[in-house]
Amino acid sequence: DAKTTQPNSMESNEEEPVHLPCNHSTISGTDYIHWYRQLPSQGPEYVIHGLTSNVNNRMASLAIAEDRKSSTLILHRATLRDAAVYYCIPIKYNFNKFYFGSGTKLNVKP
Amino acid sequence: DTGVSQDPRHKITKRGQNVTFRCDPISEHNRLYWYRQTLGQGPEFLTYFQNEAQLEKSRLLSDRFSAERPKGSFSTLEIQRTEQGDSAMYLCASSTAGGRSYEQYFGPGTRLTVT
Repeated sequence: DAKTTQPNSMESNEEEPVHLPCNHSTISGTDYIHWYRQLPSQGPEYVIHGLTSNVNNRMASLAIAEDRKSSTLILHRATLRDAAVYYCIPIKYNFNKFYFGSGTKLNVKP
Repeated sequence: DTGVSQDPRHKITKRGQNVTFRCDPISEHNRLYWYRQTLGQGPEFLTYFQNEAQLEKSRLLSDRFSAERPKGSFSTLEIQRTEQGDSAMYLCASSTAGGRSYEQYFGPGTRLTVT
């Protein structure tokens, strides 16, 4: 499985955009890039995933570098509820053994 | 559907005792996963089932750990002869095996403390 590097922590102001980076330089061509987040005292929850093209859903956007060695999760307007640990997980399609790593702890200030 | 549920939510046990945790997945999900999470770390994969078949076990899972999913519905995770290093949050997740198999739904976890 591809290794990932994420900042340990980031801080954002409420209502401002947040860009959470992830390096996955050893990613293989068949690995999808998944993002999950874990709110305090809860299990992780799915955020978004993509392969090559940028992706948008109601929660976030995912920007994937052309060489696929990095990606950025974009929260367009951070809210206090977005304070969580965000995990970037490269994984092969239908191969569901996730390796979470340590993730990025996002703190959102009011 | 109320999502993935786990029981108990908290368990305190003495070293050397056996413990068993239960996970009830979302009813139409045929894949079920167990993870372990220690403080400050992301969840660590332990094992997963498709229906009643246990398809993969982590090499980190010692032989004191056993998981079952009889009839392909709920699952149990048993830890025998618990050690202090087993203290962690044990998370269960479920998913479909089809097109949305990438989306795992997690339960709230069982926090185990071994004294």
